[in-house]
Amino acid sequence: NAGVTQTPKFRVLKTGQSMTLLCAQDMNHEYMYWYRQDPGMGLRLIHYSVGEGTTAKGEVPDGYNVSRLKKQNFLLGLESAAPSQTSVYFCASRSPTSGRYFWSYNEQFFGPGTRLTVL
Amino acid sequence: AQTVTQSQPEMSVQEAETVTLSCTYDTSESDYYLFWYKQPPSRQMILVIRQEAYKQQNATENRFSVNFQKAAKSFSLKISDSQLGDAAMYFCAYRSADNSGSRLTFGEGTQLTVNP
Repeated sequence: NAGVTQTPKFRVLKTGQSMTLLCAQDMNHEYMYWYRQDPGMGLRLIHYSVGEGTTAKGEVPDGYNVSRLKKQNFLLGLESAAPSQTSVYFCASRSPTSGRYFWSYNEQFFGPGTRLTVL
Repeated sequence: AQTVTQSQPEMSVQEAETVTLSCTYDTSESDYYLFWYKQPPSRQMILVIRQEAYKQQNATENRFSVNFQKAAKSFSLKISDSQLGDAAMYFCAYRSADNSGSRLTFGEGTQLTVNP
């Protein structure tokens, strides 16, 4: 059981280049998330998905696109990288809760992060 | 929209002593979860403790406990008998209890140093 994995772990891009970050989970989770972490700030949500074939915008979606073609994978794309997108990117996943009581709580699991530098 | 504020960018504690990290939040919801996450230099996000808003009893996990004040919208983390391995960035986070795929809203983080 690998949990949540992210590929690659590190990447350096030049301004204007494109790339795709891959997130994979083997826990059969419905919900998946992409966050970015910048110094002095907590993690901020970029995009998320509540199921295969669905995506939604989070707090800071501009400059990113996502796809969830398979339940276990959530891809984050940068079409034209900018220095402002230098950050550490985290993927996370969890199952939906089945009710309001504590036994229905489902923990959100995080990947190890991807450090992206845009020059 | 919900917001989470951690007013202490850095804290330090002597090994074996107790330290309290502060967190306040703003929400109009009555049902939600609150969390403390630990992020060591490895960058891995580790769940330390959680609190359900409908529970009045404060959550406890071994040396970690919280002081949850719902009316004041305050959620502090107390670490007792601090250990060198507790040194990390700590994030407070909020999540709605609805089932709409609600995400975590994080505070800015508190960097905790443990001095031997």
